[in-house]
Amino acid sequence: KAGVTQTPRYLIKTRGQQVTLSCSPISGHRSVSWYQQTPGQGLQFLFEYFSETQRNKGNFPGRFSGRQFSNSRSEMNVSTLELGDSALYLCASSLAIQGTDTQYFGPGTRLTVL
Amino acid sequence: GNSVTQMEGPVTLSEEAFLTINCTYTATGYPSLFWYVQYPGEGLQLLLKATKADDKGSNKGFEATYRKETTSFHLEKGSVQVSDSAVYFCALSGSGGNNRLAFGKGNQVVVIP
Repeated sequence: KAGVTQTPRYLIKTRGQQVTLSCSPISGHRSVSWYQQTPGQGLQFLFEYFSETQRNKGNFPGRFSGRQFSNSRSEMNVSTLELGDSALYLCASSLAIQGTDTQYFGPGTRLTVL
Repeated sequence: GNSVTQMEGPVTLSEEAFLTINCTYTATGYPSLFWYVQYPGEGLQLLLKATKADDKGSNKGFEATYRKETTSFHLEKGSVQVSDSAVYFCALSGSGGNNRLAFGKGNQVVVIP
C-alpha cells in the first residue's frame, strides 16, 4: 500500500504571498491531520479533517486554512505569508478519528519564506 | 489540556549501550500513547504505541509501557545500533472522536560506533 504523499516537497515563497500544500492519504484512510514543525516550537497541531469536515483546529491564525475532498485528499492554504511560517508541514492520515487510531505521516513539505 | 514532557537535551551513547528516554504526560480521559522516530529529511515513523494502562508497546527492540499511576511512557532499548541515531518523539492522542496528537519536544539520539 502506498504511504502518505505530500506535494510539493519544497517551496520557496516571499512574504505576503500565499501557498497551497497537498496531501494524499493512505488508501482507505478517511482522516487527515496537519502539523507544523519548527525548531523553536516543535510539532504543533494545525487541523484535522474527517469526511470532508474539519473536526479539530489548533491555535493558529485564520491565515491557515484547509479542506478535504470527497476522495479524502486534503489541501492546506496559508495566506499572507510571514517569515515565521517557514517550517516543515507534515500531513498524517488515519482510518478514522478514534484516539487509538495510528496516524501515518508523509515526508512533509519544507516551506521557506523569504 | 493534554501535554507531553520529554527529558531535555540530546542523548549520546556508544553502540550496544542501553537507551532510556523519559516521557511523562498530562491528559484527561484515557489517551493513547505513541513513540515516533524521525530520520534526517524525513517525516515521522511510528515506532510503537499503547492504547490502555499497563499495555506494553514493542518494535525493533524498543519497548515502552503505559504507566497510568506515574503518567509515564518511557522508551527503552537494550542494545542500540548506529542506525538508531534519529530524533524520538513521545506523543499522546485524545480519547473519543479526537485524534489530535500532542507531542513532546523530541530527543536527538546519537549512537557512536
